[in-house]
Amino acid sequence: AQSVTQPDIHITVSEGASLELRCNYSYGATPYLFWYVQSPGQGLQLLLKYFSGDTLVQGIKGFEAEFKRSQSSFNLRKPSVHWSDAAEYFCAVAPKRRGGSQGNLIFGKGTKLSVKP
Amino acid sequence: NAGVTQTPKFQVLKTGQSMTLQCAQDMNHEYMSWYRQDPGMGLRLIHYSVGAGITDQGEVPNGYNVSRSTTEDFPLRLLSAAPSQTSVYFCASSLTEPHSLLAGLYNEQFFGPGTRLTVL
Repeated sequence: AQSVTQPDIHITVSEGASLELRCNYSYGATPYLFWYVQSPGQGLQLLLKYFSGDTLVQGIKGFEAEFKRSQSSFNLRKPSVHWSDAAEYFCAVAPKRRGGSQGNLIFGKGTKLSVKP
Repeated sequence: NAGVTQTPKFQVLKTGQSMTLQCAQDMNHEYMSWYRQDPGMGLRLIHYSVGAGITDQGEVPNGYNVSRSTTEDFPLRLLSAAPSQTSVYFCASSLTEPHSLLAGLYNEQFFGPGTRLTVL
């Protein structure tokens, strides 16, 4: 079955520490891949996306993600976390479809990030 | 340019009541969609529209109706609210359908701030 898995429901890191949020997908072909962030009480903001090409993608706010085809993974990383990064992070995929048909996003269940001072 | 706006921000209903969640965008986007967000479930697609007069069902359409009479507006209607519809609802829009394999491009979806609905 097609799915997006974020194995970690909640992660706590210290400010200044590195961060890695995991995302695995299960699809027949590599879909388009995304990471979104949702700050408390806010809507979703796109951090970065991967379509093809270079497997290391740079995003906003100092985030990056690496696509690994062999592992069907698209993990999000940040070298040094700031207190303002505390939020919920969603991995999403858009399956590639022929004929230009619509491609709705399918979201993982999210990982809540807490940052310790 | 206000982006995607949603009203109301909060709403409490009694079981069986009806209401409409409003969504509007001023970016001349053809594609609009509604998601619901529940704890531990991520976002799930309710309905979407690829243009005025065209709507289709998403993953969880039951209990919801939509219409798209103008490009700007995409209201979501609950005809008879149920406690299972307690959720946070997000509207999103993009220039055209989110991606096109033929065109090889992606149109970013922009999300509204959400409506928190409680059904008692």
